[in-house]
Amino acid sequence: DAGVTQSPTHLIKTRGQQVTLRCSPKSGHDTVSWYQQALGQGPQFIFQYYEEEERQRGNFPDRFSGHQFPNYSSELNVNALLLGDSALYLCASSYGAEGRNSPLHFGNGTRLTVT
Amino acid sequence: GESVGLHLPTLSVQEGDNSIINCAYSNSASDYFIWYKQESGKGPQFIIDIRSNMDKRQGQRVTVLLNKTVKHLSLQIAATQPGDSAVYFCAENQAGTALIFGKGTTLSVSS
Repeated sequence: DAGVTQSPTHLIKTRGQQVTLRCSPKSGHDTVSWYQQALGQGPQFIFQYYEEEERQRGNFPDRFSGHQFPNYSSELNVNALLLGDSALYLCASSYGAEGRNSPLHFGNGTRLTVT
Repeated sequence: GESVGLHLPTLSVQEGDNSIINCAYSNSASDYFIWYKQESGKGPQFIIDIRSNMDKRQGQRVTVLLNKTVKHLSLQIAATQPGDSAVYFCAENQAGTALIFGKGTTLSVSS
């Protein structure tokens, strides 16, 4: 039973560029959440997707956008990259609609470095 | 704003000792709490969770205690092993909201 998988594992981009990160949820899960984790900090919530729609959003600018596909996989897009976007981007999946609390299962993340 | 935090950024213990990692939360409306373990280069790994209608929950070698009166959460690890060395995060939410993480406690286990 595959867990949450993310690609790529590492990525180096230049300021101003755009990046797309990908996530496949754990089998049986239908909800995907994205988090940004700066070095030495706890994960910060970016947004959550359920039924192909953004259901919740954290305090991140519109440069951060996402998408969920019919097979529940998801993408995170970041436009106009800034040096401060360098971080570990974590994808987490869970089962259930908004309001049902269940543990998030995390992937190992994509390490994004912006130079 | 409201957030989840941990009392100590680092904790060093000897192999075989019991470890206690503490967490204070400020949102009295939170009704679900989780502990995660994160090893270097990996994503957070679920350890144990507890809902607000419980005070204590036990797993394998781990126990989570919830004190709603003082808004305090703790993780107890029995017979700590070198493989327990990692960063531990508590996280909380209420129904319909995102999971909020604290800053983490680094547990170092020496043999």
